[in-house]
Amino acid sequence: KNQVEQSPQSLIILEGKNCTLQCNYTVSPFSNLRWYKQDTGRGPVSLTIMTFSENTKSNGRYTATLDADTKQSSLHITASQLSDSASYICVVERLTGGGNKLTFGTGTQLKVEL
Amino acid sequence: DVKVTQSSRYLVKRTGEKVFLECVQDMDHENMFWYRQDPGLGLRLIYFSYDVKMKEKGDIPEGYSVSREKKERFSLILESASTNQTSMYLCASSSASRRDRQPQHFGDGTRLSIL
Repeated sequence: KNQVEQSPQSLIILEGKNCTLQCNYTVSPFSNLRWYKQDTGRGPVSLTIMTFSENTKSNGRYTATLDADTKQSSLHITASQLSDSASYICVVERLTGGGNKLTFGTGTQLKVEL
Repeated sequence: DVKVTQSSRYLVKRTGEKVFLECVQDMDHENMFWYRQDPGLGLRLIYFSYDVKMKEKGDIPEGYSVSREKKERFSLILESASTNQTSMYLCASSSASRRDRQPQHFGDGTRLSIL
């Protein structure tokens, strides 16, 4: 069964600290993996996208890693800011004969506090 | 800046009503999508359109229909609203160079409550 599981479900950290969010997937055959940030009351915004051959991708203070062998990805946030408070969603795209399909994780809710 | 605009942020309707959710994009994208987002569940694809008047069912199309009469506009229709359709609805778009199911830009959502 094609699934994307994210951990932790929620996380609270102090401003300035680093954190790492996890994404494990069983989706196959794999096409690419994307991380989205979704602020409360807003639509998701894409942070990074990685294909099979890429094992790291950065976007400012956000760094995503991908291990296609173990089917794991992580999103590392450096020097967190209050504005990083949001839900982070991992999405895996798989190849199908009838057009690629997406499987969404349920997200990690991050809260950054003073 | 690119923009996907959903006509309502909040909407309250009654059971049995016909409900229209509207979405407009200004990026000349060929592909448009409707998703619903519920607590504890990932986004689920309702319908996908890759061109004017063209549509494909997503993972949960039951109880919904769509209309794409113009390239920039994609409407989601609840034929006879039911309480289990209370949800957050997200519209998205992407360019034809990636004719697949990877949305690039999302709207801010419509939170629909069916009473």
